[in-house]
Amino acid sequence: DVKVTQSSRYLVKRTGEKVFLECVQDMDHENMFWYRQDPGLGLRLIYFSYDVKMKEKGDIPEGYSVSREKKERFSLILESASTNQTSMYLCASSPLGGQGRPRTNEKLFFGSGTQLSVL
Amino acid sequence: RKEVEQDPGPFNVPEGATVAFNCTYSNSASQSFFWYRQDCRKEPKLLMSVYSSGNEDGRFTAQLNRASQYISLLIRDSKLSDSATYLCVVSPGWGKLQFGAGTQVVVTP
Repeated sequence: DVKVTQSSRYLVKRTGEKVFLECVQDMDHENMFWYRQDPGLGLRLIYFSYDVKMKEKGDIPEGYSVSREKKERFSLILESASTNQTSMYLCASSPLGGQGRPRTNEKLFFGSGTQLSVL
Repeated sequence: RKEVEQDPGPFNVPEGATVAFNCTYSNSASQSFFWYRQDCRKEPKLLMSVYSSGNEDGRFTAQLNRASQYISLLIRDSKLSDSATYLCVVSPGWGKLQFGAGTQVVVTP
């Protein structure tokens, strides 16, 4: 069975801390994504990556960075956590489409999410 | 204005009844459309893609209206297990999926 694993289900951090959220997929997918989900706002794309060491900004990249050193692992980094980064963070992966681009008609496989609270 | 808008609900539906709801999108150049399902405290999962001609998957029917820029989902013969939040997803282009905030459906015995 396909699997996207996020390292923590719940995380509590203090303002100003550096936070690492880890995501690992076992499907050999090229594309990986980080979303945050907030009530009333839906999922918003933070960053995505379509290859090792490649990254693209999503709609809300400010305050975040990412790392993709290995194909199966995509890390989200909060350099200095703030209270407005309290949210549910969802990692996803999908296979590669033509011309090296993510297929837009391909399903995303999500991890079970990390609920991050920044106090 | 949000790029993808949904009625948050909840839609309270008796078991066995039919429920339908829409989602509107603002980008007329959007290429692909989907419905995802998200159970309480779980991750979203793809329910079905939405094709221009409309499509069915068992008790679920999806329609696309490009002229009015909305997609719809209809659930027939609702089951208790259909209780979930249904996310409308629109793809305006490469690598980007725009998610609606979801419509909650509660099926009651």
